[in-house]
Amino acid sequence: GAVVSQHPSWVICKSGTSVKIECRSLDFQATTMFWYRQFPKQSLMLMATSNEGSKATYEQGVEKDKFLINHASLTLSTLTVTSAHPEDSSFYICSAPSRVGEADTQYFGPGTRLTVL
Amino acid sequence: EDQVTQSPEALRLQEGESSSLNCSYTVSGLRGLFWYRQDPGKGPEFLFTLYSAGEEKEKERLKATLTKKESFLHITAPKPEDSATYLCAVEGGGSYIPTFGRGTSLIVHP
Repeated sequence: GAVVSQHPSWVICKSGTSVKIECRSLDFQATTMFWYRQFPKQSLMLMATSNEGSKATYEQGVEKDKFLINHASLTLSTLTVTSAHPEDSSFYICSAPSRVGEADTQYFGPGTRLTVL
Repeated sequence: EDQVTQSPEALRLQEGESSSLNCSYTVSGLRGLFWYRQDPGKGPEFLFTLYSAGEEKEKERLKATLTKKESFLHITAPKPEDSATYLCAVEGGGSYIPTFGRGTSLIVHP
């Protein structure tokens, strides 16, 4: 159980275009999902918390107008990178928590590799 | 502020050479400490959750232990397929957002 999928697994786009990444919890519901960014050989950097039915909460330094997050249902969150530029190229990973005991275990998607030319 | 420090940053082992990875943490009111494995180009894969000091969990060649200040991930007789980055995270206090360490990159040579 506790499977999270992401689509697409990789995407290449031209500078100035927008790219949408989907994150789905396949066998459980998640009122909250998290979006991370990871640079090569570095750890996860939390970008934002996606909240079902309400606005996302962004971490300090993350441009909310550039990284649009929509959590339209209990199993789907989307991250749209608007007007992408080469510096937005990165590995984007989502996670969804599943409560076990008193703690939320995060289950991660397989990640999306974004390359902006 | 919650803090997680993992050591060493990188570890090279020969196949069969047992070792341990360390995760030191500072958190107010620990609810859970998590270990993940991440292969290159993939999302982290959940391994263990530890809830209180003294708790231990095992899975194949991996054993995770927890004290009030740190956790160890013991790898017994590792194989090359155990090569990966191992991430530690904690959740506690008033936040349900986990704090991750930088990870330990493990390479096991045949």
